[in-house]
Amino acid sequence: DAGITQSPRHKVTETGTPVTLRCHQTENHRYMYWYRQDPGHGLRLIHYSYGVKDTDKGEVSDGYSVSRSKTEDFLLTLESATSSQTSVYFCAISGVAGTEAFFGQGTRLTVV
Amino acid sequence: EDKVVQSPLSLVVHEGDTVTLNCSYEVTNFRSLLWYKQEKKAPTFLFMLTSSGIEKKSGRLSSILDKKELSSILNITATQTGDSAIYLCAVSGGGADGLTFGKGTHLIIQP
Repeated sequence: DAGITQSPRHKVTETGTPVTLRCHQTENHRYMYWYRQDPGHGLRLIHYSYGVKDTDKGEVSDGYSVSRSKTEDFLLTLESATSSQTSVYFCAISGVAGTEAFFGQGTRLTVV
Repeated sequence: EDKVVQSPLSLVVHEGDTVTLNCSYEVTNFRSLLWYKQEKKAPTFLFMLTSSGIEKKSGRLSSILDKKELSSILNITATQTGDSAIYLCAVSGGGADGLTFGKGTHLIIQP
């Protein structure tokens, strides 16, 4: 398995609170991604990074921010969580854009 | 807007049957099409197809890319209960460097 770890694995938080999810890789891959997976929508790209301090928006970036200060870590922050952000969040990594991406085990986030 | 459509959305077959899953796509600047298998947790990579590699095979699974029809199929022969999963199709080549996924085909293999 690719060396990719997400934390926490499960989280319940209240509406309006900030939440940060962490993705850590040991593969030294250039690209890191955050996706969310919801019933009826499949996997959708939130943000991605193509290097340290280099990030860009994906399809569903509103309400999310990201940071990448080190090659191995990619953080996803919900500044003020809403119930619509209840989802399963997956981090993924790849060495080259457009090639196979390896996924972390996911974080189940519930906003109440 | 990039788009990936998978069909059928769900499929129930008996062990030993052969299944064909479909994926069609629209993407600005196609680079690759990927198939993933998702059981209870993270998607796991199956195949990547590109203009220079339009057919892939691994054991009972095989996949073909039709660039003219903008589509791909995933075939599974002699299905087993362990093949039960959601199969995801994704493409790269749109504006972002990530993947655009279809909604998946939920495959159930009955003993």
